[in-house]
Amino acid sequence: NAGVTQTPKFRILKIGQSMTLQCTQDMNHNYMYWYRQDPGMGLKLIYYSVGAGITDKGEVPNGYNVSRSTTEDFPLRLELAAPSQTSVYFCASSRQGLGYNEQFFGPGTRLTVL
Amino acid sequence: AQTVTQSQPEMSVQEAETVTLSCTYDTSENNYYLFWYKQPPSRQMILVIRQEAYKQQNATENRFSVNFQKAAKSFSLKISDSQLGDTAMYFCALDNAGGTSYGKLTFGQGTILTVHP
Repeated sequence: NAGVTQTPKFRILKIGQSMTLQCTQDMNHNYMYWYRQDPGMGLKLIYYSVGAGITDKGEVPNGYNVSRSTTEDFPLRLELAAPSQTSVYFCASSRQGLGYNEQFFGPGTRLTVL
Repeated sequence: AQTVTQSQPEMSVQEAETVTLSCTYDTSENNYYLFWYKQPPSRQMILVIRQEAYKQQNATENRFSVNFQKAAKSFSLKISDSQLGDTAMYFCALDNAGGTSYGKLTFGQGTILTVHP
């Protein structure tokens, strides 16, 4: 199993540009999450999904959109990129959305908005 | 809303010694889970240890153990026989298992641990 994969690894955007961060998991997990990690800080939840077709906002959803058309994929869309969105983005998945189920994290995408 | 606080931005320890990282949290739920994650320079998030709030016994995983004080809402991580590979940022995280948490994690700010040879 590849686990959770994210592309790209690095990206530089100009203010106002848009992009999609890709996330794929091959563990047949129902629950998927997007977090952002600002420099020297912990992770904050952007959006999450409990299954295909079902998504909901996390703590910091403004400026982002998600979709979940399949169990495997959970892309994160940035519209009109702003410098405040400079961060490292992590995708994660778990078998069930319960604490005893480990969340598996992808390697992260480092995004810089100039 | 739940919060997680790590009051030690940086810690250092000599190889083979023991170090304790602190974490306090706040939640109104009675049933929840606590985690310690390790993030080495590679940025990969690695689960170190987990504790279920309804279990009184402290969790242990090889050289890693926790001191879970539910009444004080404290959850510290003890690393014994520290190794150079333990050098990383460590995050404490909380999952309110009650209600509709759906496994959403709330993270602390992190503690950078450096193990010196």
